[in-house]
Amino acid sequence: AQKVTQAQTEISVVEKEDVTLDCVYETRDTTYYLFWYKQPPSGELVFLIRRNSFDEQNEISGRYSWNFQKSTSSFNFTITASQVVDSAVYFCALSEAIAGGTSYGKLTFGQGTILTVHP
Amino acid sequence: EAQVTQNPRYLITVTGKKLTVTCSQNMNHEYMSWYRQDPGLGLRQIYYSMNVEVTDKGDVPEGYKVSRKEKRNFPLILESPSPNQTSLYFCASSLTGPREQYFGPGTRLTVT
Repeated sequence: AQKVTQAQTEISVVEKEDVTLDCVYETRDTTYYLFWYKQPPSGELVFLIRRNSFDEQNEISGRYSWNFQKSTSSFNFTITASQVVDSAVYFCALSEAIAGGTSYGKLTFGQGTILTVHP
Repeated sequence: EAQVTQNPRYLITVTGKKLTVTCSQNMNHEYMSWYRQDPGLGLRQIYYSMNVEVTDKGDVPEGYKVSRKEKRNFPLILESPSPNQTSLYFCASSLTGPREQYFGPGTRLTVT
């Protein structure tokens, strides 16, 4: 069964600090997909990134970067020079094939990390 | 405008009174899914649908029903709501699974 753990329940930083959100996952599949979503205080859920299990390259998008390491089953998210607008709940999620097949409908989210960036 | 809509946005009801939360998307997406969000538990998947007439259980399907008779709509049905189904519900869709999902605005349900 797939499982996602975000051990950091809440993180508080001061603007311009770098912050890393941890995500550890469990899966028996060799092919799977990992995601990060953001939920700002307004409540909507916003997609940030998708990564498949065969692509271990780190990704950078502006101030955001993601470090995928299969050896440690981790998919960590770093925000560089954090800003107040980064304050949100961040969710990591995992999708693995059902019963070893090719259907990736099931999606498991972590508990979320509440990030507060103070001015 | 590409979007996922949910109705109602807020609902207060009583135990045992059947209700339906509608979800509709205008992006011609194959995949749709329902989640509930509870404090400390993150989002948990209730049901998902890979395409029309194909639905399957997520992690917490008990007490819920769904149907996918047309591509754009995926209603969530609570036949006999109970207080433990008080939650924030999100509908989402994507072109196929598992791609970027577009989420609806959420439905806050309170069962007394």
